[in-house]
Formats: sequence, C-alpha cells, structure tokens
Amino acid sequence: DAGVIQSPRHEVTEMGQEVTLRCKPISGHNSLFWYRQTMMRGLELLIYFNNNVPIDDSGMPEDRFSAKMPNASFSTLKIQPSEPRDSAVYFCASSPGSSGNTIYFGEGSWLTVV
Amino acid sequence: QQQVKQSPQSLIVQKGGISIINCAYENTAFDYFPWYQQFPGKGPALLIAIRPDVSEKKEGRFTISFNKSAKQFSLHIMDSQPGDSATYFCAAIRNNQGGKLIFGQGTELSVKP
Repeated sequence: DAGVIQSPRHEVTEMGQEVTLRCKPISGHNSLFWYRQTMMRGLELLIYFNNNVPIDDSGMPEDRFSAKMPNASFSTLKIQPSEPRDSAVYFCASSPGSSGNTIYFGEGSWLTVV
Repeated sequence: QQQVKQSPQSLIVQKGGISIINCAYENTAFDYFPWYQQFPGKGPALLIAIRPDVSEKKEGRFTISFNKSAKQFSLHIMDSQPGDSATYFCAAIRNNQGGKLIFGQGTELSVKP
C-alpha cells in the first residue's frame, strides 16, 4: 500500500518566492495533518483537517502560511512570501479516524529558503 | 510551552545493552502516549503506544513503562541493535483533540557494534 506521498522532496528557493508543498494522504484516511520539524522547535503541528475541513490551524505561524484540502486525496501548504526562517522539513501525515491516534507520516519536504 | 519533556537528548549504548528514554508530561487530560522512531531522511513512524489505564506494554524488544501518578513514561529497548540507531520521540495526545500530538524534543540513539 502506498503511504503518505509528499512533493517536492527537496526545494531550494529564494526569499520572497512562493512555495507550495503537496500531499496525498493514505486512501481512506479522513484526517490530514501538516507538521514542521526544525532543530530549534522540534515537531510542531501546523494545521489539521478532518473530512477536508480545517479543524485547528492554531499552529500556523503567520498569515504567510496557508493550507487547503480541496478533496480527500490532496492537500497543499503554501508559503507566500517565503523567508529564510521558514527553512525546515515539512511533514504531511494522515490518520484513519478523527481521534488521530495512529498517525502515518510522509517522508517530508525539505525546504531551504536562501 | 513544552508540555512533554524528554530526556536524554542523546544516548550511546553498546550492542546488546538496554536503551532507556524518559518522558514527563504535564497535562493530565492526555490519554494516549505513542512513541515514534525516525531514521535520517525519513518521516517519524509509530513504534509503540500506551494508554494510561495500563502500566506496561511490550512489543518484541520494545517496552513502554507508564507511571500515571508521576506523569512519566519511558521506552525501554532491550538487546539494542545497531539498526535501532535513530531518533526517538515520545508524544501525548488528548483523544478529543484530533491529531494534535504534542511531541517531546527527541532522543538521538546510537547503538555501537
């Protein structure tokens, strides 16, 4: 079975550019999560969706970040404009239930903003 | 604020030894405590998990010990192997908060041959 699929795996962009990260959750999972991992702050939940509806976006750092889930098989995380401090690994994860007890992570999108 | 504190930050163990990683939490509303294993360049993967109604859970060489009154839980890796070298994260979640896993800061385990 395919796991959570993320793209791109690696992205290097210049400050001020728009970055779009993409995620395909595991089929049949109805919860989707975006996490960010940095050395300083560890793993942080940015936003999660249940049945395509954003439930909690309190972790989104600022208005430059936005996330959408237009359907059950696709989500995007957009950063506009990007800044060097956004450099991190962004993980998408999905879960079969709203309780989110078993969360499956993708392999991450490694973002570097120069 | 840090709601789940994990220690140590790094750990070196000889092959065949026991690796022990500790976590402490603050919020008594947490009701599910998973451990994740992360290899370099990969996403975290669920290793083992426990609920607070049991004091211990064992799966193969991995055991979680849970102390509800002390608000602490730990991961024991018996007969540690070089292939266990990875970063381990404890986490906690409230069942009614969806996927809002609160992670510890991680422990980088190195098992020497």
